[in-house]
Amino acid sequence: DGGITQSPKYLFRKEGQNVTLSCEQNLNHDAMYWYRQDPGQGLRLIYYSQIVNDFQKGDIAEGYSVSREKKESFPLTVTSAQKNPTAFYLCASSISGQGQFLNTEAFFGQGTRLTVV
Amino acid sequence: AQSVTQLGSHVSVSEGALVLLRCNYSSSVPPYLFWYVQYPNQGLQLLLKYTTGATLVKGINGFEAEFKKSETSFHLTKPSAHMSDAAEYFCAVSERGGGADGLTFGKGTHLIIQP
Repeated sequence: DGGITQSPKYLFRKEGQNVTLSCEQNLNHDAMYWYRQDPGQGLRLIYYSQIVNDFQKGDIAEGYSVSREKKESFPLTVTSAQKNPTAFYLCASSISGQGQFLNTEAFFGQGTRLTVV
Repeated sequence: AQSVTQLGSHVSVSEGALVLLRCNYSSSVPPYLFWYVQYPNQGLQLLLKYTTGATLVKGINGFEAEFKKSETSFHLTKPSAHMSDAAEYFCAVSERGGGADGLTFGKGTHLIIQP
């Protein structure tokens, strides 16, 4: 079955550590996204990538980094510079991030809950 | 720039009653509009979408939404609520032509179903 896989489902981080969240898709989608979800805040865009080897900052990129070396993979690193990393992180993909497309909905993974201990 | 406003962070209805979740958007170009549902500790699942054509859109689980350009609204309805409808619902907008940064989401509405 095609879809988006996020791992791990739960992740615990100590203060000052970097952690990497995995996101893999087999939908052959060009565009991939990382969102952060906090209670009452909706989804806020961290980073997005339209094509391999290219990515752009979203609304809350500070303290995060990404890479897009392969079309199917878009890992997110939460660095020690992120002062409040405890949140639910969602990865998504869509056919493309640009151009005239009818099917521009995003498909989501099951999320990773990150907790700082 | 586009934005989405969902009226009511929490909506409570009785089982069997009408569900109405409100969504208003702003967009400088004709929008694509979406409703997603999220169950606890899960990702988002697409309920329905409006792209072009008929303004009344039917989705999964008996939900539907109507695009009203004059009111810049895309409210979600279901004639009869079921206990399994209890979840978080998100309205989202994407500008036609492809927003490079994807979808803009509202803050969500938590739907509570009273037995």
